[in-house]
Amino acid sequence: DIQMTQSPSTLSASVGDRVTITCRASESISGWLAWYQQKPGKAPRLLIYKASTLESGVPSRFSGSGSGTEFTLSISSLQPDDFATYYCQQYNSYSQTFGQGTKLEIK
Amino acid sequence: EVQLVESGGGLVQPGGSLRVSCAASGFTFSTYWMHWVRQAPGKGLVWVSRINTDGSTTSYADSVKGRFTISRDNAKNTLYLQMNSLRAEDTAVYYCVLRGVTKLYWGQGTLVTVSS
Repeated sequence: DIQMTQSPSTLSASVGDRVTITCRASESISGWLAWYQQKPGKAPRLLIYKASTLESGVPSRFSGSGSGTEFTLSISSLQPDDFATYYCQQYNSYSQTFGQGTKLEIK
Repeated sequence: EVQLVESGGGLVQPGGSLRVSCAASGFTFSTYWMHWVRQAPGKGLVWVSRINTDGSTTSYADSVKGRFTISRDNAKNTLYLQMNSLRAEDTAVYYCVLRGVTKLYWGQGTLVTVSS
């Protein structure tokens, strides 16, 4: 099974900061990588798919990059609504696995 | 518009059984693989099971193998997860997930609580 290692597990930042979250796959997943935002009691919200494609309706301050085994999610200027937990997910072929999550907290 | 609506969650005693369902619409259900993903309270997302288009091929996480059965009814556009021998650690929100051509679609989830 493909393992996903996400870092950091917790990130403290301020409104207006630029932040980056990293996800590493144990083997190449080409570009089959998605990023989600999740708030308590809610289903995950798709932000980015195919590593770098912004989901419709998602603000342009979110961006994704990477290929093969290394991927990043960046938020260019944090807004109050962005403080949440973020997950990466690989969906290469017929399998799916998730990163452990990154909790983005207000500093 | 793709819609996935889970149902059937609830409170069940340890050792009991429950079947959760996912009603699909807005796409040709019979042509896509489907998945179940779960999330225990305060924990991360975990893949549970997947099924191919005609139901002939299934796969499970080790934690549920032999206890859970995924199935589908393409005539009813519905995905199922039959859960037997339930344990406290199966308590979670269960999501059905469509692996589309380039991206994934999720339902809102159904909560299964295993407790006496």
